[in-house]
Amino acid sequence: AQSVTQLGSHVSVSEGALVLLRCNYSSSVPPYLFWYVQYPNQGLQLLLKYTTGATLVKGINGFEAEFKKSETSFHLTKPSAHMSDAAEYFCAVSDRGNQGGKLIFGQGTELSVKP
Amino acid sequence: KAGVTQTPRYLIKTRGQQVTLSCSPISGHRSVSWYQQTPGQGLQFLFEYFSETQRNKGNFPGRFSGRQFSNSRSEMNVSTLELGDSALYLCASSLDPSGGYNEQFFGPGTRLTVL
Repeated sequence: AQSVTQLGSHVSVSEGALVLLRCNYSSSVPPYLFWYVQYPNQGLQLLLKYTTGATLVKGINGFEAEFKKSETSFHLTKPSAHMSDAAEYFCAVSDRGNQGGKLIFGQGTELSVKP
Repeated sequence: KAGVTQTPRYLIKTRGQQVTLSCSPISGHRSVSWYQQTPGQGLQFLFEYFSETQRNKGNFPGRFSGRQFSNSRSEMNVSTLELGDSALYLCASSLDPSGGYNEQFFGPGTRLTVL
């Protein structure tokens, strides 16, 4: 069965530092890939997605992710962290050929940003 | 355009009771998915409805059920509540063009506490 692994349940960076959140998926057939962010007491907001085409995907708030098929990875990066980036981040996948709404999520990575 | 709305936002029930949660999708969206979020299990897919039919189902017991109405609004029901059902229940909606993936938009969730 498809699974998603996020390395590190907590990541702490200093303001202005690089943010790197890691995500690996298990499928031999590359799925659709997503990163979501969740702020306290809120739902999930899509940061970016990879469905097809260019493997470097740019999202909102300065985030980007690179799909690497050989590594089955989809790591999320941001060159310079801001205090407002503190939140929980979820990597998710959806099988190609799956009609619409079944996302499989990783366990989440809580990002802390130190001043 | 209004986002996904979920009612109620907070709910407290006791063991053995049943509960119904409601989700109104974005106007024009025909697919509604439900997810359970807990600290221990993370985000887990419950089920998806499209055109009033359950299209995908996760691995939850039969106590969890749902339905979708002709206006795409959806409800989920949990019968015989257990303490472990305490969670944030998230609803997501999406368009459903044939082929390809379409983005899921999440509501703020309903926080269910079972005492």
